[in-house]
Amino acid sequence: GAVVSQHPSWVICKSGTSVKIECRSLDFQATTMFWYRQFPKQSLMLMATSNEGSKATYEQGVEKDKFLINHASLTLSTLTVTSAHPEDSSFYICSARGLAGVFSYEQFFGPGTRLTVL
Amino acid sequence: DAKTTQPNSMESNEEEPVHLPCNHSTISGTDYIHWYRQLPSQGPEYVIHGLTSNVNNRMASLAIAEDRKSSTLILHRATLRDAAVYYCILSLGSNDYKLSFGAGTTVTVRA
Repeated sequence: GAVVSQHPSWVICKSGTSVKIECRSLDFQATTMFWYRQFPKQSLMLMATSNEGSKATYEQGVEKDKFLINHASLTLSTLTVTSAHPEDSSFYICSARGLAGVFSYEQFFGPGTRLTVL
Repeated sequence: DAKTTQPNSMESNEEEPVHLPCNHSTISGTDYIHWYRQLPSQGPEYVIHGLTSNVNNRMASLAIAEDRKSSTLILHRATLRDAAVYYCILSLGSNDYKLSFGAGTTVTVRA
């Protein structure tokens, strides 16, 4: 099956610093990538949708200037948490949807990145 | 947006079937029914999806009611590795194929 990787798997940073999380589709080209956030014992919350080469579409209540998303190629999307604060500590998960065809209906999720802001 | 309703939790014994219900009474004609599951500290993984007809794959079966207002995910023989949160999700019918996750059902499997 299709594989999505995330890097890093966990990160600890000081308040006020910026953190970049990478999401890669390893063996398929992803038309669309999604970024989610999950707080402890809660469900996933969609943050934004990004298509290769165009600006991301953010969900209501998500600050686009704080969570910068770049989808530079069909296999890579990055999420940068700018000026991170302790309330941004969470589990960040990306997913990718393939090009039209056999993979197009299914989202493939990365393993997640645990962000802790001190 | 069409919503889904699932029980908070279910318990099963190993090697026994598990039937996970999902109600989606406001489903529209173009909404697909998707099931994903999330093991602890991992990203979700696709289980199965369907539109109108029942579906089977190597992981599970999906039984869809004739009026499409409910569906049931069936794990035929539960194993300890099936312990996870199972999410029943309706696609929003747009080209973006966004998934809106609810609370899901936490499945516990007893050895």
